[in-house]
Amino acid sequence: DAKTTQPPSMDCAEGRAANLPCNHSTISGNEYVYWYRQIHSQGPQYIIHGLKNNETNEMASLIITEDRKSSTLILPHATLRDTAVYYCIVTLYNFNKFYFGSGTKLNVKP
Amino acid sequence: DAEITQSPRHKITETGRQVTLACHQTWNHNNMFWYRQDLGHGLRLIHYSYGVQDTNKGEVSDGYSVSRSNTEDLPLTLESAASSQTSVYFCASSESLGRNEQFFGPGTRLTVL
Repeated sequence: DAKTTQPPSMDCAEGRAANLPCNHSTISGNEYVYWYRQIHSQGPQYIIHGLKNNETNEMASLIITEDRKSSTLILPHATLRDTAVYYCIVTLYNFNKFYFGSGTKLNVKP
Repeated sequence: DAEITQSPRHKITETGRQVTLACHQTWNHNNMFWYRQDLGHGLRLIHYSYGVQDTNKGEVSDGYSVSRSNTEDLPLTLESAASSQTSVYFCASSESLGRNEQFFGPGTRLTVL
């Protein structure tokens, strides 16, 4: 599985868009990009995933660059409840194994 | 509603004791996973199972074992608990056939004295 690199922490003002970057320069053609988040000490929560097209759901948008070497998770209107650690994971679609790195701690401030 | 539960939520044990952490899911998912999370770190995969009677080692499997006798349960056993196994343990499950969204349990905080 490809490794990922994320900044350790980011700040965002409440109501603003939060843009969380992830580098995965060694990603292979059949590996997907997944995003999870972990709020305080709870179990991780699935956010979104994609292969090469941009994806959007009720929680967030995922923008994957054309060369697929990086991606950005966008929370369009961050709230205080979005304060969490966000994990970017790259894995084979049918491989069912996730390797979590250290993630990005997003601090949403009033 | 379908869910995934873990028990106990908190456990304190002594070095050398055998400990079993329970994980139960009601989604009828084929895939189940155990992770550990140490303070300030991401999750690391311990063991996983793709179905009944199937078990596989993850990246930190030493000192742990699992068994899968039915679809709903994947208990994690620490054969002889060590202080290095003090951690928070998360169980997760997912559907098979390519749907890789994993649903996580609330976690078990284990302290080995």
